[in-house]
Amino acid sequence: NAGVTQTPKFQVLKTGQSMTLQCAQDMNHEYMSWYRQDPGMGLRLIHYSVGAGITDQGEVPNGYNVSRSTTEDFPLRLLSAAPSQTSVYFCASSYSILREQYFGPGTRLTVT
Amino acid sequence: TQLLEQSPQFLSIQEGENLTVYCNSSSVFSSLQWYRQEPGEGPVLLVTVVTGGEVKKLKRLTFQFGDARKDSSLHITAAQPGDTGLYLCAGAMDSNYQLIWGAGTKLIIKP
Repeated sequence: NAGVTQTPKFQVLKTGQSMTLQCAQDMNHEYMSWYRQDPGMGLRLIHYSVGAGITDQGEVPNGYNVSRSTTEDFPLRLLSAAPSQTSVYFCASSYSILREQYFGPGTRLTVT
Repeated sequence: TQLLEQSPQFLSIQEGENLTVYCNSSSVFSSLQWYRQEPGEGPVLLVTVVTGGEVKKLKRLTFQFGDARKDSSLHITAAQPGDTGLYLCAGAMDSNYQLIWGAGTKLIIKP
């Protein structure tokens, strides 16, 4: 099993550009989520999904969109990148919101 | 609002020393998870504590959940350079069905 995979590993964007961060899992987990990690602030939940076709907002959803067309994939779209979105982004999957989270290796995004 | 406070934020000690890091809250959690994150990687679960007063051991790491299920501690005995990393705690709240994350303790063990 590959677990949770994320692409790309690194990305540099200019302000106003859009892009999609890819996330896939092969553990048949219903729950998937996106976090951003900033120094001193821990992990903040952006969006999450409890199953294919079902998504909801987390703590910091502004500027991001998600969709969940399959159990395996949960892409995160940045609509118009801003310097405040410079961060490390982690995708996670789990059997449930409250149980062990399996994280991908992260995407380090810089917006200039 | 930071519901889970981790302390210290940063700790640098010599190999062989003992240390304790803390995860505190005024809220009650149904369970609490501890993760370790190494540079350039995602967090990996170390342990989940569920019962108030519970103590779990993972080799040289001892985890304790407070009696009131509002706080937890991680004690490392005879720290080794391989223990270096960011330690995160996450509390599960049944009331609003979400995980609450602490900001983490960055631990450096010097050889």
